Amino acid sequence: EIVLTQSPGTLSLSPGERATLSCRASQSVNRNFLAWYQQKPGQAPRLLIYGASSRATGIPDRFTGSGSGTDFTLTISRLEPEDFAVYFCQQYGSSSKTFGQGTKVEIK
Amino acid sequence: QVQLVQSGAEMKKPGASVKVSCKASGYTFISNYIHWVRQTPGEGLEWMGVINPSGGSTNYAQKFQGRVTMTRDTSTSTVYMELSSLRSEDTAVYFCARDPAFCGGDCYFDYWGQGTRVTVSS
Repeated sequence: EIVLTQSPGTLSLSPGERATLSCRASQSVNRNFLAWYQQKPGQAPRLLIYGASSRATGIPDRFTGSGSGTDFTLTISRLEPEDFAVYFCQQYGSSSKTFGQGTKVEIK
Repeated sequence: QVQLVQSGAEMKKPGASVKVSCKASGYTFISNYIHWVRQTPGEGLEWMGVINPSGGSTNYAQKFQGRVTMTRDTSTSTVYMELSSLRSEDTAVYFCARDPAFCGGDCYFDYWGQGTRVTVSS
């Protein structure tokens, strides 16, 4: 099973700043089948990015996914108040889908 | 609009079983596979398995093989997930989540249910 390791665990930033989140896979993710989700307390995850870099419907262009192979990045160009949340990566290139442990983006 | 509406919170004793439902609306039920994912403070998000609502075929994560059963009722557009031999470590929020129509169960999740909290305690 592919293990996804996200870093940092917590990111403390101010609104308007840039956030860079990392997701590293224990082996290459087939066809770069990697997704990113945002989760707020008491809510289900929301799809942001699929295929490593494609934005889901309705997702603002301040969210950008990049990377390939084993190293992937989610960048939020300018943090809005509603962006403070936990972010998860997920690989779906293998039959057993796995998630990273999450990065919390908190207000500094 | 697409909606996945799950059944309410459950409290179970160790050794019991729980059955959670997920009612789909706003799209053609048999066109999209439905997955189950659970979330715990310790293990985070864990994929449990997937069901094809069209034919009812399933694929379960190895960790849950033998304890999980996913079924569907096409007449009510509802998918069910039953987990047996519950233990305290199964205390979690359980989500159903939809796969895009073209993916055949091998994809990301574009819509999620609201989650069902299952608590296992004696």
